[in-house]
Amino acid sequence: DIQMTQSPSSLSASVGDRVTITCRASQGISNYLAWYQQKPGKVPKLLIFAVSALQSGVPSRFSGSGSGTDFTLTISSLQPEDVATYYCQKHNSAPFTFGPGTKVDIK
Amino acid sequence: EVQLVQSGGEVKKPGESLKISCKGSGYSFTSYWLGWVRQMPGKGLEWMGIIYPGDSDTTYSPSFQGQVTISADKSISTAYLQWSSLKASDTAMYYCVRRDGVFDIWGQGTMVTVSS
Repeated sequence: DIQMTQSPSSLSASVGDRVTITCRASQGISNYLAWYQQKPGKVPKLLIFAVSALQSGVPSRFSGSGSGTDFTLTISSLQPEDVATYYCQKHNSAPFTFGPGTKVDIK
Repeated sequence: EVQLVQSGGEVKKPGESLKISCKGSGYSFTSYWLGWVRQMPGKGLEWMGIIYPGDSDTTYSPSFQGQVTISADKSISTAYLQWSSLKASDTAMYYCVRRDGVFDIWGQGTMVTVSS
């Protein structure tokens, strides 16, 4: 099965900073990569699918890129409400494996 | 409004059985795959399995095959996740999720606590 890894596991940044999270698949998954945001104590929420397609209602400061095995989630200007754990996931076929998550907080 | 509403939290003892539910509304329940995701306390998301309520076709993660059973009753737009013999390590939050190419709609979660 394809394994998903993320780096870093956590990061601390200042409000307004550009934040980048990396996700790597152990085999190519074409463009079937999604990102989810889970705020503390809340239900996960879909942010981005198909590498770069923004889910309806998601702020434009979030963006995704990549292809094949290497992908990134970028927050162009970190806001206090972006404090959360971010998970990548392969969504083309089962098993729909998640990455281990990246915890983002404010410095 | 498209939503998934899950059954309430449960406190059970090791060895007991349990079935939790997830009711879909606001969309054609039989036309979308519905999955289950586990989140153990303080840990990440783990995909458990998925069912197509239209014909009950089911696929499990290798990690959960044989450990749980996923089913659905399309007449009442409800999917289920069940255990025949709970273990303390089953303590977790369980989410049902609709798959429209991606997990776009999430239930509110059901907390299952297994303790003697």
